[in-house]
Amino acid sequence: EVQLVESGGGLVKPGGSLRLSCAASGFTFRDAHMAWVRQTPGKGLEWVGHIKSRPDGGTADYGSPVKGRFIISRDDSKDTLYLQMSSLKTDDTALYYCATSGLSTWGQGTLVTVSS
Amino acid sequence: DIQMTQSPSSLSASVGDRVTITCRASQGIGNDLGWYQQKPGKAPKRLVAAASSLESGVPSRFSGSGSWREFTLTITSLQPEDFATYYCLQHNSYPPTFGGGTKVEIK
Repeated sequence: EVQLVESGGGLVKPGGSLRLSCAASGFTFRDAHMAWVRQTPGKGLEWVGHIKSRPDGGTADYGSPVKGRFIISRDDSKDTLYLQMSSLKTDDTALYYCATSGLSTWGQGTLVTVSS
Repeated sequence: DIQMTQSPSSLSASVGDRVTITCRASQGIGNDLGWYQQKPGKAPKRLVAAASSLESGVPSRFSGSGSWREFTLTITSLQPEDFATYYCLQHNSYPPTFGGGTKVEIK
């Protein structure tokens, strides 16, 4: 069974940083493209970015609201996906989900609150 | 970015009703569209991929149709467990974009 478990969310001040993790199991992680999606009551669901598998180049792409501030990476030896968030803004407050390629399977989400 | 306009934003229906939800894309997306169901406190769950392919385990009362710019999710006989919020997602071009959601409530 495919499982994705996010962690690392919490309360952070504007301008601060936070790193989210997503532990994967039940599939061959190293061959999978992975994504982050966030959800807020106001803006709904928003694609944050994705990272390709290393065999396909391992490159990452980002949505405009986070480009230059967020970095997606992966550790295939640990079957773990990461989202490094910096220069956080109050608008980044959201529930963050990791998801498999094509957004077919999602984790349960981790809440990030950016507030002073 | 491609805009996905989903309608209605909410609806009230009774058990056994037929429900139809529509998503309209701001430009053609082929059949690169998925439908998701989200229940309170849970992650979205994909019901339909490629506009009309039902995911394994999804009841046959759900169906997806459409192509290019207009897509429909139909629930033929609404069941108590179907009360939830539904979203469409296009992945034809980056960034992938979601519809605003349709909340299906009990009448």
